[in-house]
This record gives sequence, C-alpha cells and structure tokens, in this order.
Amino acid sequence: GENVEQHPSTLSVQEGDSAVIKCTYSDSASNYFPWYKQELGKRPQLIIDIRSNVGEKKDQRIAVTLNKTAKHFSLHITETQPEDSAVYFCAATRTARQLTFGSGTQLTVLP
Amino acid sequence: IAGITQAPTSQILAAGRRMTLRCTQDMRHNAMYWYRQDLGLGLRLIHYSNTAGTTGKGEVPDGYSVSRANTDDFPLTLASAVPSQTSVYFCASSDSGLAGTYNEQFFGPGTRLTVL
Repeated sequence: GENVEQHPSTLSVQEGDSAVIKCTYSDSASNYFPWYKQELGKRPQLIIDIRSNVGEKKDQRIAVTLNKTAKHFSLHITETQPEDSAVYFCAATRTARQLTFGSGTQLTVLP
Repeated sequence: IAGITQAPTSQILAAGRRMTLRCTQDMRHNAMYWYRQDLGLGLRLIHYSNTAGTTGKGEVPDGYSVSRANTDDFPLTLASAVPSQTSVYFCASSDSGLAGTYNEQFFGPGTRLTVL
C-alpha cells in the first residue's frame, strides 16, 4: 500500500517569512495529493490539492508543487501570519477516495 | 443538521465494553470514512464506504466494524474496547462523483475516546 512521509514534524517561522513542508510517497500510481490544515481542537480542512497532471498550483499565499519522478510534493506558505499556526497534513491516493496521510507538521508562526 | 456531525463528543469507556460512535451527514455524499488520529501518526483510515450498502477495510480495521444502511449514517462499532483504541475518531464524507474524479473529504468534529 501507499506510504507517505512528511517533514519536518515541527516548524517555527517568524511572521512574514515563508514556510515549506515536504512529503514523499511510495506508490507511483498515486495521482491526487491534498493538503489539510487542522487548528487546535478542530477538524481537518482541505486547503489546497493537486492532481498528477499538474506540476504546481497556487491559491493566494499557498502553493503546492509536485515532482512525480522523485515522488515528492511540497506545501509553500508565503508571508506567514499568526493564523497560519496549525498542524498541516499531506495525503496521497490513487483511488480517488482512500487517502493515506502523512504524520503532520506543527507550524508555529512567531509574532 | 448542516454538514457532518458526530456523537458523542467525548467518551470514557471501560475496557471490554461495546461502543458505537455515530456519524451523520446531510450533504448526500456517496462516500464516507472513519479515521483515527493519534499523536505523531496522523490520520489513519479504519473503514470506508463508497456507497450505501457497501463497506471496505482501511489501514487499521482490526477491532472495529461499520455498517452503511443508508446514505446519511455511518456508525463505527468497537465490539470489545481495548486501551490501544484510545484516540480521536474522525468521520468524513465526500461526493464520489465520476470515476477518476477527486472530491474534497469533509470531516466531522471528532469524538475523543478514552479506554481505561
């Protein structure tokens, strides 16, 4: 089955700086890669996703890049703000439904 | 009801007891899922259902069972709870859409379960 590794497990940045979270996956057939944000005590919520036929996708201050050859994808957050502080999870799937999640990254944005 | 709900919010349970976690969605989504979330391990899929009347095993199905009698409800049952099942449980749903399409999974608020 699929295995997703996520790094780093914790990340602290100064407000206004950029943050990058990286994930690698094992199943070369995986073709959908969503990212979820989970604030403390809340449910995970989708923030951005990318399909395998696209190398990069942007949505305001967040972007995701995908390298299918190397089997890794990354989340980029620019101009970080305190409200970006949360746990971020990457995931991968080839079945359109059964997601395999990474172990999460606790992002702290320092004022 | 708006979206996806879970009950109870939290529960403390004695080992060996039977427990059913409830999940209901009103979005008419075909697919539903149960995950457990443990510190440092992310979210792991327990069971899923692609449509009413069908279920499948996820990554960590042992000790859990599910049923999908209708579109809206997807209960998760622990037949005989053990301490290792202490976790936060999230139910999710998605619109299955056309084959090969990918649709957002919407999560419920979670159930915090402690097995003593």
